[in-house]
Amino acid sequence: GQQLNQSPQSMFIQEGEDVSMNCTSSSIFNTWLWYKQDPGEGPVLLIALYKAGELTSNGRLTAQFGITRKDSFLNISASIPSDVGIYFCAGHENAGNNRKLIWGLGTSLAVNP
Amino acid sequence: DAGITQSPRHKVTETGTPVTLRCHQTENHRYMYWYRQDPGHGLRLIHYSYGVKDTDKGEVSDGYSVSRSKTEDFLLTLESATSSQTSVYFCAISESPETQYFGPGTRLLVL
Repeated sequence: GQQLNQSPQSMFIQEGEDVSMNCTSSSIFNTWLWYKQDPGEGPVLLIALYKAGELTSNGRLTAQFGITRKDSFLNISASIPSDVGIYFCAGHENAGNNRKLIWGLGTSLAVNP
Repeated sequence: DAGITQSPRHKVTETGTPVTLRCHQTENHRYMYWYRQDPGHGLRLIHYSYGVKDTDKGEVSDGYSVSRSKTEDFLLTLESATSSQTSVYFCAISESPETQYFGPGTRLLVL
């Protein structure tokens, strides 16, 4: 099935550093979503974006819906140890009766205290 | 947090046996989804439901069936479990297809 290109695949950073990750698609999306998965848990929705160019923040997290509608970015500022986990992007194409999301493979984030 | 539970949370079974996983929601959301998560493959959609008795296949539906006889329950059945179905299974719910909320997962080991 179709997948999003999510990068980087993994990151190992020092506490306090900023983090950037992104997702690209060959299709145009109407919605971009960012999820975080803690070890042993289900993914949790962090940010949803509904409009090209939209920039949305959730605490230290900021996500952007790319102008081309084919990409999205997530930034984490001043990372802390509890930011550790896997971050997934997902997109939705509003075509016909499409009821499914397309997912990236995730970015695994490790934070060194 | 969305009211979504999965049962069992852990299961060990033998090859060839049928297994049923349950997803239960208290949010009255229309859509329900079953995913499996495996290292290197991310989240892959098995089946989904867009209403009571309305279901459709995802990208990895072979060997799985689903049923939804009530809004709140979505059952995933492995008709004859195989070792390749060892995985972590997640249920998700949503009122619109875009924003899905996930359950805590079921870890299944098929020996």
